This record gives sequence, C-alpha cells and structure tokens, in this order.
Amino acid sequence: GENVEQHPSTLSVQEGDSAVIKCTYSDSASNYFPWYKQELGKRPQLIIDIRSNVGEKKDQRIAVTLNKTAKHFSLHITETQPEDSAVYFCAASRDSGNTPLVFGKGTRLSVIA
Amino acid sequence: GAVVSQHPSWVICKSGTSVKIECRSLDFQATTMFWYRQFPKQSLMLMATSNEGSKATYEQGVEKDKFLINHASLTLSTLTVTSAHPEDSSFYICSAPGGQGFNEQYFGPGTRLTVT
Repeated sequence: GENVEQHPSTLSVQEGDSAVIKCTYSDSASNYFPWYKQELGKRPQLIIDIRSNVGEKKDQRIAVTLNKTAKHFSLHITETQPEDSAVYFCAASRDSGNTPLVFGKGTRLSVIA
Repeated sequence: GAVVSQHPSWVICKSGTSVKIECRSLDFQATTMFWYRQFPKQSLMLMATSNEGSKATYEQGVEKDKFLINHASLTLSTLTVTSAHPEDSSFYICSAPGGQGFNEQYFGPGTRLTVT
C-alpha cells in the first residue's frame, strides 16, 4: 500500500520568511496530492492540492510542486505570518475522492513574530 | 455546499460502555465515507471505509467487532465503539468524497472521545 513520508516534523521560521515542507510517496499509481492545515482540536482544512498531470500550482502565498518521477511533492509558503502556525499534513491517494487518503506524519510550523 | 457534520463533538464515557458517533453529509450524497482516528500529536490513520448498503472495509489491525460501522443511508454513517477502554480515547474524524467529479474529501469536525 501507499506510504507517505513527511519532513521536517517541526519547523520554525521568522515572520516574513518562507517555509518548505517535503513529502515522498511510494505508490506510483497515486495521482492526487492534497495539503491540509490543522489547528488544535479541529478538522483538517484543505489549503491546496495538485493532481498528477500538473507540476506546480500556486494560490497566493502557497504553492505546491510535484515531481512524479522522483515521487515527491512539496509545499511552499512565502511571506509567512503568525497565523500560519499550525500542523500541516500532506496526503496522497490513487483517486481524487473515492479512495481514502494516506497522510504523512505532519509538520508543526511555528512562525515567530 | 459539501458540508459534513459529526455528532457528538465530544463525549466522555466509562470503560466498558459503548459510544456511537454519527457522520452526516448535509447537502450531498455519499455512498462512501471514511473513518479516521487521530491520537494526540499524531497523524490521521484510516480505520475503515464505510460503504452504503454493504459491509465496511477495515484496515489491518482495526477490530471490526469493536468498531462497528453502519452506513444505512446515502447521508449517514455511524461508528460505534463497543466496550470502550481508555486506549480508545482519541479524535475520530469522518470524511466523504464530494464536489464536482468527487474530486475532494470533505471532513467532519471530529469527535473527541475520552474513556475514563
């Protein structure tokens, strides 16, 4: 089955700096790669996703890149703000909706003002 | 649109009792729903796939007789934790595929279970 590795487990950045979180996956058939932000005690919130026919996607300060050959994808947050502090999870699945997601272990991001 | 609700949001029960958690898709139909469990400071781990009108599919290591799943309608799946023990204390979250082409997972708000 799919295995998703996520690094780093914790990340501290100064406000205004960029943050990068990286994930690798094992199942070459996976084709949907979402990123979630989770605050304590709340549901995961989708912040951006990418499908295997796209190499990069950007939404304001957030971008995701995908390298299918190397089986890795990354989340980039620019101009970080204190409210970006949370736990971020990457995930992968074979289908964009009807199959379950396999999550990485998460990255605790702290943005220091 | 595409809202998933869970009830209750939190529950405290005594060891040995059973607890039922409901997951509802409010404005769309879901023939499939997923149940995840999240222990403190850990990731979401898939427990089972709930299928409307048929038996659930459980992940390896998840006891199907302990975690009973019923998906009796296109908008409701229930997870019953039977004979709960303190080690079952966790955050339980359901999700359902929705949106155009079922291209996104919609998560419920989660249920915090504490077994004393």
